[in-house]
Amino acid sequence: GDSVTQMEGPVTLSEEAFLTINCTYTATGYPSLFWYVQYPGEGLQLLLKATKADDKGSNKGFEATYRKETTSFHLEKGSVQVSDSAVYFCALSDPTSYDKVIFGPGTSLSVIP
Amino acid sequence: DAGITQSPRHKVTETGTPVTLRCHQTENHRYMYWYRQDPGHGLRLIHYSYGVKDTDKGEVSDGYSVSRSKTEDFLLTLESATSSQTSVYFCAIRTGEINQPQHFGDGTRLSIL
Repeated sequence: GDSVTQMEGPVTLSEEAFLTINCTYTATGYPSLFWYVQYPGEGLQLLLKATKADDKGSNKGFEATYRKETTSFHLEKGSVQVSDSAVYFCALSDPTSYDKVIFGPGTSLSVIP
Repeated sequence: DAGITQSPRHKVTETGTPVTLRCHQTENHRYMYWYRQDPGHGLRLIHYSYGVKDTDKGEVSDGYSVSRSKTEDFLLTLESATSSQTSVYFCAIRTGEINQPQHFGDGTRLSIL
């Protein structure tokens, strides 16, 4: 079945460092891909999305490219800030089913000054 | 802001008591979901709804029931709460377009003693 794998962390970076959080997926169809961010005590917020191969989603300095050939959707940011400390979730949406949104386990990121 | 309100935000109750959590949306989206989030398990779908009075089970539906008598409200009920149902519960909504992401409420922290 469909699945999402991502590095679980925790990841600790210094401010202004480069961030990569790897995400790979398994899907039978052509899913949409998402990154969500969860700050402490809050719900998940959509960070960015891509709906077809080679699409690049971007928001708040974060980017991810839908790579069908490597079934990946890695999250990147060139220079992280302390305020980026949160848990990041990769997710896929099966286009054939409204109940099938598969979430990865989440990656905890801590950015230290 | 996706216009989702979850209530209550926090609740402590005893084993064996009934508990109802409410999700209210202001945007008349067709699809609504209930998840639970637990350490080591990520997000797991409990139930979802694709319209008024139309609901279906997710992967962890045992011990839970739902109702949707109005478009804007989706209720999750624990008929007889158990300690294993201590968790953070999130409601999510989704528009009618199949490649669109879900949007989440801020969660309800439920403790069952």
